[in-house]
Parts: sequence; structure tokens; C-alpha cells
Amino acid sequence: AQSVTQLGSHVSVSEGALVLLRCNYSSSVPPYLFWYVQYPNQGLQLLLKYTSAATLVKGINGFEAEFKKSETSFHLTKPSAHMSDAAEYFCAVSGPNNAGNMLTFGGGTRLMVKP
Amino acid sequence: GAVVSQHPSRVICKSGTSVKIECRSLDFQATTMFWYRQFPKQSLMLMATSNEGSKATYEQGVEKDKFLINHASLTLSTLTVTSAHPEDSSFYICSAPPLAGSGANVLTFGAGSRLTVL
Repeated sequence: AQSVTQLGSHVSVSEGALVLLRCNYSSSVPPYLFWYVQYPNQGLQLLLKYTSAATLVKGINGFEAEFKKSETSFHLTKPSAHMSDAAEYFCAVSGPNNAGNMLTFGGGTRLMVKP
Repeated sequence: GAVVSQHPSRVICKSGTSVKIECRSLDFQATTMFWYRQFPKQSLMLMATSNEGSKATYEQGVEKDKFLINHASLTLSTLTVTSAHPEDSSFYICSAPPLAGSGANVLTFGAGSRLTVL
């Protein structure tokens, strides 16, 4: 069984400040991990993914995440927040042999960026 | 890249009516489609998996007769919310598994359909 926990349903940062969105996972098999972003009334867009290669993964829009097996974490970061980063972010996990490639999502974190 | 077109993006209907949501894979074939539901301010929950040429697989707690899923062709999967009620109001999103060679487990999502039942 797999599960994902995102600490903090809401995160507020000032424009230009560091963004840190936390994600911890539980998986009985080596996980594949993903971060998705959802803008209002839109579907999900893939930000980045970890698939057992480099532990530091760089994604789109300046985001990156680091896979830490010892901490079972995959936190999302961005050095400097932009107003356009305000959205809902979801961490998700699947297993490499997961039939159908289904994802298990975390509860989501709403990022608010203050001017 | 792969694109999944989902329609309609928004629909408002009266209680008791049925609503059909379509998901089409553009320029690729999807033998499987996943249907998710998202309640306000909550995460996405997998409802069911549609399979071309066979019955859909529903997750525990999802009413098969309420949410009819049909995978009519290799490019089209539909979700019909039958006899909709206000509690069915939600955001429904479909996704298709990755194309061969596109990378492991990267699903392609539709833009979602917001259903409001009055």
C-alpha cells in the first residue's frame, strides 16, 4: 500500500521568498514520486517526477524536489516565489510495477503568494 | 506531447438529470483511462479505471450504477453521472497512462469537468 502526506494544507509566502512544500510518502516498493500543480478550474500539470534516477529533480517554472529515502520525503522547493505560482500543489506516489500506473495523491497544499 | 481532451469543462444541471463527460486521447491510443473526483479543497480520489473492450473497474465505495463508465474506443472514454444530485457536484478529471517511451508513470490529465447540480 502507498500513501502520501502533505504537511500544511495552506502555505503563504511573500513574493521573492523561498517556497517549501512538504511531502512524505509511504510505500512498500521503491516509489516513483510526482509533483503536480493545479490552477483554478484547470486540470493537473506535471511539475516534476522522480523515477529512481537522480535524487534531486528539476522541474518546470523553477521548481525542484529532492528525494530523501532516509526521511521518506520529496519536498518541493523554489528559491523565489512569483505571484503566478499561486495554485494548488499535489504530491503523488506510484510504484514502478504499479499496474495501470495509478497514482495516490496527497491532500494538496494551496500556495498563496503575497505581494 | 500527449494530450487528453475533456469535455465539457463546466456543466450545470438540474437534480435528477444525467450528465455525460467525455475524455478523448488526441494523437494517441489509450486502452485505459483513469477517472478521478475532486471535492472542494480536497485531493483527487480515484473513482474507476476504464478499459477499452471490457468493463470498468471501480474503486471501493464508488456506485457503479451512479457513475457509468464506458470506454467506447481506443480514443474515447465517457463518464455518465446518472440521476445527478447536489452531492454529486464535484470536479471530475480523467487521465491516460503514458505513451510507450515517454517515461515511467507520467499520466496525461484532462483539464477537468466541473459539475454543479442544482
